[in-house]
Amino acid sequence: KNEVEQSPQNLTAQEGEFITINCSYSVGISALHWLQQHPGGGIVSLFMLSSGKKKHGRLIATINIQEKHSSLHITASHPRDSAVYICAVGQGGSEKLVFGKGTKLTVNP
Amino acid sequence: DTGVSQNPRHKITKRGQNVTFRCDPISEHNRLYWYRQTLGQGPEFLTYFQNEAQLEKSRLLSDRFSAERPKGSFSTLEIQRTEQGDSAMYLCASDRGAGNTIYFGEGSWLTVV
Repeated sequence: KNEVEQSPQNLTAQEGEFITINCSYSVGISALHWLQQHPGGGIVSLFMLSSGKKKHGRLIATINIQEKHSSLHITASHPRDSAVYICAVGQGGSEKLVFGKGTKLTVNP
Repeated sequence: DTGVSQNPRHKITKRGQNVTFRCDPISEHNRLYWYRQTLGQGPEFLTYFQNEAQLEKSRLLSDRFSAERPKGSFSTLEIQRTEQGDSAMYLCASDRGAGNTIYFGEGSWLTVV
């Protein structure tokens, strides 16, 4: 079992829909990251959080430390949101990030 | 433009050849990471530097792999005697320390034929 599990693996939505991507982890963490990867490789950090909730524009990230679960929400989705969204956790005592496999989101116009 | 620069972006090499990738992190970032990503998978940790010191290495980093960051600025990742299983994207990332945003390069794609 991977230390970081994401669901769903693939998600197709219509423009304007509310999107939720889930991440569960099985290890103690110092922080959880949500990242966006576009075709071609580049990865952009969206959020880093260790508790509660963060919001940036149409993106909202929440984390429940007790349940070891985080969600990334996209409101009013747009075709330009189409990308792979990756959850990664930083573990206490190590500087490395452990990544989920990613969720491929396609938003159709 | 994330500010982390990697080159070459693409490399095709014959099995058995050596390849070297370079990463230039954001200038004030003292921490630098190398990750490897294969198709359909999330990145996997390879190694981490704080300034010039290599502080953590993954078991994935076999003896054919070596990474350096000689002056605490740019870093190189060398793969000797490449194998087809080395085909992947090699990602570099940097940050200012714990609790700070991590920035990734565009990656260097390696194809071993």
